Amino acid sequence: GAVVSQHPSRVICKSGTSVKIECRSLDFQATTMFWYRQFPKQSLMLMATSNEGSKATYEQGVEKDKFLINHASLTLSTLTVTSAHPEDSSFYICSAEMSLSRNTIYFGEGSWLTVV
Amino acid sequence: GIQVEQSPPDLILQEGANSTLRCNFSDSVNNLQWFHQNPWGQLINLFYIPSGTKQNGRLSATTVATERYSLLYISSSQTTDSGVYFCAVKTSYDKVIFGPGTSLSVIP
Repeated sequence: GAVVSQHPSRVICKSGTSVKIECRSLDFQATTMFWYRQFPKQSLMLMATSNEGSKATYEQGVEKDKFLINHASLTLSTLTVTSAHPEDSSFYICSAEMSLSRNTIYFGEGSWLTVV
Repeated sequence: GIQVEQSPPDLILQEGANSTLRCNFSDSVNNLQWFHQNPWGQLINLFYIPSGTKQNGRLSATTVATERYSLLYISSSQTTDSGVYFCAVKTSYDKVIFGPGTSLSVIP
């Protein structure tokens, strides 16, 4: 089946630094990718919708300058957490929508971010 | 926006028991999926089921789109079924919204 790869799976960074998380669709083209954030024992909250070649659409309450999203190709979207703070520590997970079958969504393995 | 509810929020089962998880949504959807999130956070797709009934081993799912709900049935539960079960719907605006989840614990 289709595979979505996320990297890194775990990252620890210092407060004030930036960290980039990559989401790749390995065997299909993804016009649209979604980024989610999950706090412990909570559901996945949609942060933004990333469309190839255009600006991401952010959900209400998500700071676009804090969470930079770039969808530079049909197989890669990146999420950069800028000037990270401990409250940004969370589980971030991406999903990719197959261009040819837009109702089929595949999820990455997720990335655990810890800001110290 | 669309509201997605799941019930029950928590469920404890004896191994071998059956259970039904429910997902209600407040508006028409283009797609509905059921996922199992394992303890490591990985989301495992169980069913893509915008309507009708599907079965896969001990799991089956039914979506009644006209009444805006979906059910996930787990039969003969095993300890490996433990985890959180999410339903996720795709809206007419092409967003995928998750329900709050049902946390399942299967005890030996």
